[in-house]
Amino acid sequence: EVQLVQSGAEVKKPGESLKISCKGSGYSFTNYWIGWVRQMPGKGLEWMGIIYPGDLDTKYSPSFQGQVTISADKSITTAYLQWSSLKASDTAMYYCARCGHTYGASHFDYWGQGIQVTVSS
Amino acid sequence: DIQMTQSPSSLSASVGDRVTITCRASQGISNYLAWYQQKPGKVPKLLIYGASILQSGVPSRFSGSGSGTDFTLTISSLQPEDVATYYCQKYNSAPLTFGGGTKVEIK
Repeated sequence: EVQLVQSGAEVKKPGESLKISCKGSGYSFTNYWIGWVRQMPGKGLEWMGIIYPGDLDTKYSPSFQGQVTISADKSITTAYLQWSSLKASDTAMYYCARCGHTYGASHFDYWGQGIQVTVSS
Repeated sequence: DIQMTQSPSSLSASVGDRVTITCRASQGISNYLAWYQQKPGKVPKLLIYGASILQSGVPSRFSGSGSGTDFTLTISSLQPEDVATYYCQKYNSAPLTFGGGTKVEIK
């Protein structure tokens, strides 16, 4: 069974750093792109970027390029999303999700449960 | 970058009604289009990919069509459990942008 299990909710202060995780299991982790999606309170889904754990090729949305870093560690089948300096506007739910095809970035067929990140002074 | 525009942004329909949601791409994307359902407080769920391929386990009252720039998601007979926000997503090339969403309610 394919599963994506995300780390727990986070409460941080502006300016702090943060790294959240998404552990994949039940499939060949290195053969599928895995991505991150932001959902701000009461708003829609925003595609942030994806990574291919096999060779660490990464693609970012222009809206998030330079604002976050996506990484992965195939030895522990885990993908990460990190910030070096959080802002209040980073408060949101963050989902990881697996792309549905092995041959390229595509739609998301499996999703993690989401991580609520709250940034407040 | 290609923009994805959904319409309407919200709709209210009766149980049993046929519901149609539209998604328009600012440039052609062939059939690289997916639809998701997100119920309140829940994780998004894939309904359709390849513009018209039903994901395993999704009820057959959901269907998708279109190619190029214009796509539709149809619910043939709206059920109470279909109350949700629906999103399209293009995936021909990065960034794999989502549409703004369509909120479906029961009248």
